[in-house]
Order: sequence, then C-alpha cells, then structure tokens
Amino acid sequence: GQSLEQPSEVTAVEGAIVQINCTYQTSGFYGLSWYQQHDGGAPTFLSYNALDGLEETGRFSSFLSRSDSYGYLLLQELQMKDSASYFCAVRDTGGGNKLTFGTGTQLKVEL
Amino acid sequence: GAGVSQSPSNKVTEKGKDVELRCDPISGHTALYWYRQSLGQGLEFLIYFQGNSAPDKSGLPSDRFSAERTGGSVSTLTIQRTQQEDSAVYLCASSLGNARLYEQYFGPGTRLTVT
Repeated sequence: GQSLEQPSEVTAVEGAIVQINCTYQTSGFYGLSWYQQHDGGAPTFLSYNALDGLEETGRFSSFLSRSDSYGYLLLQELQMKDSASYFCAVRDTGGGNKLTFGTGTQLKVEL
Repeated sequence: GAGVSQSPSNKVTEKGKDVELRCDPISGHTALYWYRQSLGQGLEFLIYFQGNSAPDKSGLPSDRFSAERTGGSVSTLTIQRTQQEDSAVYLCASSLGNARLYEQYFGPGTRLTVT
C-alpha cells in the first residue's frame, strides 16, 4: 500500500515564504504531484516531480528527493489568495494507474 | 475549451434511494477518474477509466457503487440504496491518458447529502 504524511495546518504572513512537506511510503514510485484546493472548489494541478531536484513555476516550486521519500512545495511572496489546502499525491508502480492523495495541508495566510 | 463538468452540483436524497452522478470530461482526455472527498479530508480514489474500460475498480467501497463510461466520454457513477455514510463530495477528473495521470483536471464536484 501507499501512505503519505503532510502537516495538517500551516500559518504564514503575507509576503513570506512557506514550505509544505510531504513524506511517502510506497511499494514503488513514479513521481510526486501537488494540487491546490480552495474551500468549496475543485483541486487544481500545480506541479509534478519525477526526478530529484527542484521544479520552479512562478512563485511556486516543488522539490523531490527519491532517496529520502520526501518532497516539499515552496510558496514564495505569499498572497492572501494562496490560502487553500495543498495536497501531495503519488503515482506508484504498485498501485496501478491512479494517484494516491495525502490528507492535505491547510495553509492560512495572514496580514 | 470547456473544463470537466459534473451534474448535479448538489443532490439531497433519502436513505435507501438510488442516485446517479454524471461527469463530462475534457474533450480528448481518454482517462477519467472518480474520487470521494468527505469534509476536511483528502481524496479517496473510487474508480479509473481508460477509454470505456475500467481496469481499476479497487476503490469502490461496496457493491452498491458502480460506474460506467460510454463513447469514451461521459461517465456515470451510480450509488444504489444510499446510506448516510455516502454523504460526501464526489469529484470527477480527467487526464490526457495514462501517461499523464499525474496531471488531472477536476470538475466542480457533486455534493451528495443522504438524509
């Protein structure tokens, strides 16, 4: 089976940088995805890492270390609109053609 | 182009009734997924379609749940004899195919309430 761990809640101030961690245990591994979900909204795709290292997309970056079974999402220059839940998800070789999602991290951005 | 659409957006039903939830994926997306999300929780995988076939039904919680997809497009999730524990938001997503399953596009969901 697969399991993912994320902090349940993170709070940061507008303009700051915040890192949301994700550790996973899988029987095999293809890659790690990140999704954003605002309250009452649908999840939206943010990024995907299949290889070790940092992927940057604007204010958001995602990092993966396959040897540590660990990844993180880095949000820079935080804005109030970044307040949302963030989910990591793994595609693993043992789980078939599906993503397994973590329980999500609720990010609160304060003034 | 249009995104993933789902209907109805809200459904209130009495315990024991059957419900049908519909998903219309992005045109050209061959893979389609159904998830269930309870309040404040993560996404629980239900079923996956590649074209019209469902190679992975492992997430369906019981035999009261079934799904089909026709014409490689619209999918219907049916819940028979609904129970209160079925109350949740049911999300549908699509992707370009199996190789791109890590990048899924979600619909707005159907909020199901079983009274």
